[in-house]
Amino acid sequence: DAKTTQPTSMDCAEGRAANLPCNHSTISGNEYVYWYRQIHSQGPQYIIHGLKNNETNEMASLIITEDRKSSTLILPHATLRDTAVYYCIVRADYGGSQGNLIFGKGTKLSVKP
Amino acid sequence: NAGVMQNPRHLVRRRGQEARLRCSPMKGHSHVYWYRQLPEEGLKFMVYLQKENIIDESGMPKERFSAEFPKEGPSILRIQQVVRGDSAAYFCASSPYDTGIPQETQYFGPGTRLLVL
Repeated sequence: DAKTTQPTSMDCAEGRAANLPCNHSTISGNEYVYWYRQIHSQGPQYIIHGLKNNETNEMASLIITEDRKSSTLILPHATLRDTAVYYCIVRADYGGSQGNLIFGKGTKLSVKP
Repeated sequence: NAGVMQNPRHLVRRRGQEARLRCSPMKGHSHVYWYRQLPEEGLKFMVYLQKENIIDESGMPKERFSAEFPKEGPSILRIQQVVRGDSAAYFCASSPYDTGIPQETQYFGPGTRLLVL
């Protein structure tokens, strides 16, 4: 799987948009970008994923650059409960034998009042 | 729709004892994954199972660890003769196998915190 690079930590003011970047310059054509977050010792929570088009759901938006070498996760109105470690993961959707997610160190987002 | 369930949530064992961790996947999910998170570290993949089959165990320690996902009942991660270094959070995830759904979107349970004294 392609490796990703994320900033170690970021701060965001409550109510503002949180923009979390991720570089994945070696991504392959069949690899998706997934985002998960882990709130203090809880199980990782799936947020969103995409291939090449921008995606939006009730939690966040995912913006993928045209060359797919980087992406940004956007939390439009961050709350204190969004404080967590955010993981950007690149992997292919083979279906079948390629099961595991490879978690890096992620970005620790601190939302401040 | 209940999420992934894990039990126990906390488990304390003395060195040399056995630990059994259980995972019930989300309804309709037939794939189960186990991950381990050591203190202050990231999650590491251990094993991937389908019903009655181990698909990928490349992340499992060679000794003392085993996993199963029987036709009926939860998936079990078993650690024999536990040592202090086994103290960690163990997370289970499940995914569906449906051509209409991204097959590899994994949904995680709350984890089991194992403490070995």
